[in-house]
Amino acid sequence: DTAVSQTPKYLVTQMGNDKSIKCEQNLGHDTMYWYKQDSKKFLKIMFSYNNKELIINETVPNRFSPKSPDKAHLNLHINSLELGDSAVYFCASSQDLADYNEQFFGPGTRLTVL
Amino acid sequence: RKEVEQDPGPFNVPEGATVAFNCTYSNSASQSFFWYRQDCRKEPKLLMSVYSSGNEDGRFTAQLNRASQYISLLIRDSKLSDSATYLCVVNVGGGNKLTFGTGTQLKVEL
Repeated sequence: DTAVSQTPKYLVTQMGNDKSIKCEQNLGHDTMYWYKQDSKKFLKIMFSYNNKELIINETVPNRFSPKSPDKAHLNLHINSLELGDSAVYFCASSQDLADYNEQFFGPGTRLTVL
Repeated sequence: RKEVEQDPGPFNVPEGATVAFNCTYSNSASQSFFWYRQDCRKEPKLLMSVYSSGNEDGRFTAQLNRASQYISLLIRDSKLSDSATYLCVVNVGGGNKLTFGTGTQLKVEL
């Protein structure tokens, strides 16, 4: 019954590897997001998609590539992982792009790059 | 200047106390305002939206002052379960882009 789910919950990997994080929402929402929360707990948007179309692409290294196969899924692929990529990555969704809409967050993926 | 600024705390208060958090934002074009709550090692969850006229939800009252670009959250009769980090969040539009403050940590003690 989880509204927004992410896998894996924990990811520990070596520098230079490529990894993916998956996100799924069963709320029937049109819009999905990826956020990064760093070690200082600062939460910052990375990407958003609306009906599979890229809407927001913040200043994120192009090693990060989101993919939305359908509006219920938004995956994040990261190439050539670096130490600074260690963080908690949250997926979120909202009904649509209306600015008053609540965003529902997944439980987060804690990425540690060694 | 940060887009959304909050006092990081921690605020340590006894049960039953009233506590207030403040937040300022820099973008005068900001359109929507929220308080989210984040428990330790958990995801953020919406606590309440903030409306220009001010709004109340049980023990929680939120206020917005657009002229001063200032948002507040008042918690009355604090409970142990209120212990969390409170995130001030501003939507600057442009695709429902939320900008988060760094959060204010609240610890309610016996």
